[in-house]
Amino acid sequence: DIQVTQSPSSLLASLGERVTITCQTSQSITNNLNWYQQKPGQAPMLLIYYATSLQTGMPSRFSGQYSGRSFTLTITSLEPEDIANYFCLQHYSAFTFGSGTKLEIK
Amino acid sequence: VQLVESGGGLVQPGKSLKVSCSASGFTFSSYGMHWIRQAPGKGLDWVAYISSSSGTVYADAVKGRFTISRDNGKNTLYLQLNSLKSEDTAIYYCASDYGGPDYWGQGVMVTVSS
Repeated sequence: DIQVTQSPSSLLASLGERVTITCQTSQSITNNLNWYQQKPGQAPMLLIYYATSLQTGMPSRFSGQYSGRSFTLTITSLEPEDIANYFCLQHYSAFTFGSGTKLEIK
Repeated sequence: VQLVESGGGLVQPGKSLKVSCSASGFTFSSYGMHWIRQAPGKGLDWVAYISSSSGTVYADAVKGRFTISRDNGKNTLYLQLNSLKSEDTAIYYCASDYGGPDYWGQGVMVTVSS
């Protein structure tokens, strides 16, 4: 089974700050990783698919990159509405979620 | 795309429950579908997947106890939950698949307790 290690588990950041969240997989999955945003009391929403593609309707301040087994989600300038939990998911072999990152305003 | 789950509730340990997901706004029969759960205050836990041709994949934690199925004539996805345990208590979400889950329903709560 493919393991997904997500970090950090929680993050305090200031408005306007650049934020980065990372997922590391236990084996190569090429670009088969998605990022999801879940706001309090809501269902998750697809944010980034196939590691780098921004889902339609999501703000352009969100971006995804990867190198080997390391994947990053970046918010270029944090907005109040970005407060949420963020999860990665590998879909190369079955499906495995990362443990999540809780993003809060400092 | 709209996905609406139903059928949740309170059930005793060892008992069974069937939850449903009604789909609209897309050609349901052409897409794979997922069930994903989230225990209270916890992260996301992938449960099961069914392809457009009804091939299935399960998480180890539910294999042999849960069954995913679909009725393309009714545009409905199902999850039969048997031999329920307290650790199965969670919100159960259905989601359509396009390179992993893309559109999600709002979820249905399943509580396993005596």
